[in-house]
Order: sequence, then C-alpha cells, then structure tokens
Amino acid sequence: DTEVTQTPKHLVMGMTNKKSLKCEQHMGHRAMYWYKQKAKKPPELMFVYSYEKLSINESVPSRFSPECPNSSLLNLHLHALQPEDSALYLCASSRNTQETQYFGPGTRLLVL
Amino acid sequence: DAKTTQPTSMDCAEGRAANLPCNHSTISGNEYVYWYRQIHSQGPQYIIHGLKNNETNEMASLIITEDRKSSTLILPHATLRDTAVYYCIVTTGNNRKLIWGLGTSLAVNP
Repeated sequence: DTEVTQTPKHLVMGMTNKKSLKCEQHMGHRAMYWYKQKAKKPPELMFVYSYEKLSINESVPSRFSPECPNSSLLNLHLHALQPEDSALYLCASSRNTQETQYFGPGTRLLVL
Repeated sequence: DAKTTQPTSMDCAEGRAANLPCNHSTISGNEYVYWYRQIHSQGPQYIIHGLKNNETNEMASLIITEDRKSSTLILPHATLRDTAVYYCIVTTGNNRKLIWGLGTSLAVNP
C-alpha cells in the first residue's frame, strides 16, 4: 500500500481567508513533504518533515505554515495568500528522508 | 547539484516499447537516478530507481550506462494509459532531495 491522501481535492479562497490543506498516510513513513506545482512546471519542494520535526524549509513565505501533529498527518495552513499562489499542492511521504517518496493526488488551489 | 536533460516530447505507438532517454552527465557517485511520471493534473507516480545496475520492476526497466552519465527508461508495451509527463530525477545529498527537470511528455498513440 503506497497511498497518500490529500483533502480537499479543490479549494477556492480569497486573499483574506485562512484555510488548511491536509495530508495523511498510514504506511508508517516518518518523512513527509509539501511541494508546489505550477502549470507545465515540475514540482518545487517547500517543506520536509522528518520524525515530526521540520528539517527543510525552502525559503517559503510565512503565509504558508506547515504543521505535523503526528507521524501520519501533515497540514499546510494558508493565510493571506496571493493570486500567484494558485497551484497544485502536493504532499509526499517516505520511510525516511533517504527512501523513495510517494505522492498524493494533490490539492488544486485557486486564490482569488 | 546534478541536473538532467530530457527530450521535451516523444511519441510511441500503442503496444510498442517506449524508450525514454535522460542525460545526467554531472551525476556524482552516490546519487541515484529516479523516474516518476505524472498523468495530467494527478500526483507524480513513482516508477523505478537505480544507482549503477540496471533495474526492472512490474512497470518498467531502467538501463544506466556504465559511466552513469545517461539512462533510459523502457516501458515494454506502451498503452494509452501510459500517456504522461515522465521525469528523470537525480537525488542529491543525504536527504535524497529530488532535483526535478522539465520532463518528457510522452504521447502513446493508437
């Protein structure tokens, strides 16, 4: 089983809204990732959590706030986003940061 | 960080083998080659990875040249559902951070 789930599938939000993206895996993986993907571009790494601790932040603006409440869950809290933040947000997990990453289906975010 | 170079697009007839090339001439000795694919608007799907030796699984085969400067992903009997963007990726560092290129858009035609 290599399933990573993400909710919601689609999200539309205004620039003053606060929303959260959720990612879940039950494979016992201890590394989890957030990526952002714009149309016709490859995914860009945003954050890496290893054993529930933030290990990599790729200089992401503070309007994106990750949270890893336990080893199965990863959240991305969104606040005061800009229209250019509209993208596909992908979550991935791996057994540890040296193993193969498995991706969820993504959340399609539109900021108006 | 090692970078990859892939053709922008390729075509393949259904039922034939699809051979997708990738150049990674600056790859280091401890860096792996990974292949993922992404069907339109879905999450990337892991296909296969290797370090030095050729690898095969139920989805594909990975052929890595002896000098490790290039590799080829082989889908032995392409189907219409294999139409996707295929990313050849070199991992870097102890954290196996994925360094994504622009990928090859493969169209499998009936």
